[in-house]
Amino acid sequence: DVVMTQSPLSLPVTLGQPASISCRSSQSLVHSDGNTHLHWFHQRPGQSPRRLIYKVSNRDSGVPDRFSGSGSGTDFTLKISRVEAEDVGVYYCMQATHWPYTFGQGTKLEIK
Amino acid sequence: EVQLVESGGGLVQPGGSLRLSCAASGFTFSNYWMTWVRQAPGKGLEWVAHIKKDGSEKYYVDSVKGRFTISRDNAKNSLYLQMNSLRAEDTAVYYCVRGGGFTSDYWGQGTLVTVSS
Repeated sequence: DVVMTQSPLSLPVTLGQPASISCRSSQSLVHSDGNTHLHWFHQRPGQSPRRLIYKVSNRDSGVPDRFSGSGSGTDFTLKISRVEAEDVGVYYCMQATHWPYTFGQGTKLEIK
Repeated sequence: EVQLVESGGGLVQPGGSLRLSCAASGFTFSNYWMTWVRQAPGKGLEWVAHIKKDGSEKYYVDSVKGRFTISRDNAKNSLYLQMNSLRAEDTAVYYCVRGGGFTSDYWGQGTLVTVSS
């Protein structure tokens, strides 16, 4: 199975400051269809996950432009340009290139 | 508005069975693969199973293969997960998700399954 490794696992951030989460996969996530099926999800406390970014860098509808995704191959990053209070929660990367699909362990973002 | 509403969770003894349902609305259900993802208490996410638009293809994570069955009824806009031979490690919130791995864009609120004696 493809192992997804996120870092850091805990991310204390001051409001208005940037934040960055790394996600590394144990195999290349380039699919035979030419796409890289790497997504990012955000789960607020007590809520279900919400997709933020799909195929590495595409923001979902309604997702603020302070969120951005980048990367290629096995190395991916989610960046928040200026953290707001509503950004707290756990962020997960997920790969859907290789079956079984797998998630990272999650990165818990909190406000300092 | 896309809505996914899960039901059927509860407390069940080890070795028992449970059937989860997901009622979908706000989109053309038959046009989408559908998925179940679970989350054990305080833990991360695990992809459980997904099913093709017409139900002709089904995929399961190894830990549930042979015990769980995913199915759908496109006439009723509903997704199901039949869970047999339940174990303590199956205790989790089970989410219904629109799409397969390439999509997975909308998630329900989840239903809690607790396997305990």
